[in-house]
Amino acid sequence: DAGVIQSPRHEVTEMGQEVTLRCKPISGHDYLFWYRQTMMRGLELLIYFNNNVPIDDSGMPEDRFSAKMPNASFSTLKIQPSEPRDSAVYFCASSLLIRGNTIYFGEGSWLTVV
Amino acid sequence: AQSVTQPDIHITVSEGASLELRCNYSYGATPYLFWYVQSPGQGLQLLLKYFSGDTLVQGIKGFEAEFKRSQSSFNLRKPSVHWSDAAEYFCAVVTNAGKSTFGDGTTLTVKP
Repeated sequence: DAGVIQSPRHEVTEMGQEVTLRCKPISGHDYLFWYRQTMMRGLELLIYFNNNVPIDDSGMPEDRFSAKMPNASFSTLKIQPSEPRDSAVYFCASSLLIRGNTIYFGEGSWLTVV
Repeated sequence: AQSVTQPDIHITVSEGASLELRCNYSYGATPYLFWYVQSPGQGLQLLLKYFSGDTLVQGIKGFEAEFKRSQSSFNLRKPSVHWSDAAEYFCAVVTNAGKSTFGDGTTLTVKP
């Protein structure tokens, strides 16, 4: 399997711009997770989906953040407008509940907002 | 709500020495427990997991972990550390509903 695929790997954008991060989960997985990692806050779960339906978005920091999963093979995390404090590594991950919930991570999208 | 505590932010060991990284969790039922490793600039890679059966689980790269229900712990061990083991290690708990919580991580430095 190709693993979880994220794009872009690196993005530098100006404050106020819209940022869209993309994720393709492992085929057949029914859970998809978005995490944010920073030095200050560690690894935070932002939102997760089960069968394309958002289950828990309590980790989404504010209304500037939104996530969608229009189908089983694609998800987006959007930040609009972006702010410097959004600079972080954003990881997408997926899992298959039936297999002991092992979470497989993508390589991350490194976002810098200047 | 579940939680995970990794008491040690940073650990330094000499190459060839033994290693133990601590992890304590809080969850009302039997959780799924995981250890992941992250090298700089990389995503997280699964080392090992526990969800039932033998409480001592073996993972990749010579790591093992022991689930102790009475202590709500899932400590990671390795008998002899290699320089390539230097990385950040995360303990995680996943509920039956699929929600994951990660600890804050332990950074391992290996001295030559």
